[in-house]
Amino acid sequence: DVKVTQSSRYLVKRTGEKVFLECVQDMDHENMFWYRQDPGLGLRLIYFSYDVKMKEKGDIPEGYSVSREKKERFSLILESASTNQTSMYLCASFGGPVGYTFGSGTRLTVV
Amino acid sequence: AQTVTQSQPEMSVQEAETVTLSCTYDTSESDYYLFWYKQPPSRQMILVIRQEAYKQQNATENRFSVNFQKAAKSFSLKISDSQLGDAAMYFCAYRTSFSGNTPLVFGKGTRLSVIA
Repeated sequence: DVKVTQSSRYLVKRTGEKVFLECVQDMDHENMFWYRQDPGLGLRLIYFSYDVKMKEKGDIPEGYSVSREKKERFSLILESASTNQTSMYLCASFGGPVGYTFGSGTRLTVV
Repeated sequence: AQTVTQSQPEMSVQEAETVTLSCTYDTSESDYYLFWYKQPPSRQMILVIRQEAYKQQNATENRFSVNFQKAAKSFSLKISDSQLGDAAMYFCAYRTSFSGNTPLVFGKGTRLSVIA
């Protein structure tokens, strides 16, 4: 089975902390995505990457950055976490006949 | 920019009955893909059904079928013989067919409850 693995299912961080959300895929996909999911707002794209060291801003990149040093890993970074970044974060990869594969999400709470 | 609209935040259906979830989208492109995803409480996004815009025939997957109206930019999902396991958030999504690295654009979702 193809997999996208997000390192944490639940995470609690303090305001001002630097937060890393990790996502790893085992499908050799070039394209990876980070979405934020909030009730009533659906999934909104934060950043995506179409190759190692390449990144593109999505619809809501403010307050976030990303890193893609290896093909299989795409990290979302909150430079200084704030309470309005409390949310569910979903990672996805895209490629081949499988199409999109999603991780199980990280529910982040910033206190 | 493309947008996807789901006008029903919540829906409910009796077990074994049929329910239709609505989705409209806005695009100036002629070739694209449309999707319905299911997200149960486990949070795992599951692809329910997919439609290529160039295909006139509506996609069907077992109890799930779509009514794709390209001119009206409408893409509704019909669930027949509803089961308790169908209870979930359902998201309609759009992707241009231009290249593989373009992201999915999602609607805000519809929460479906199934009543026993």
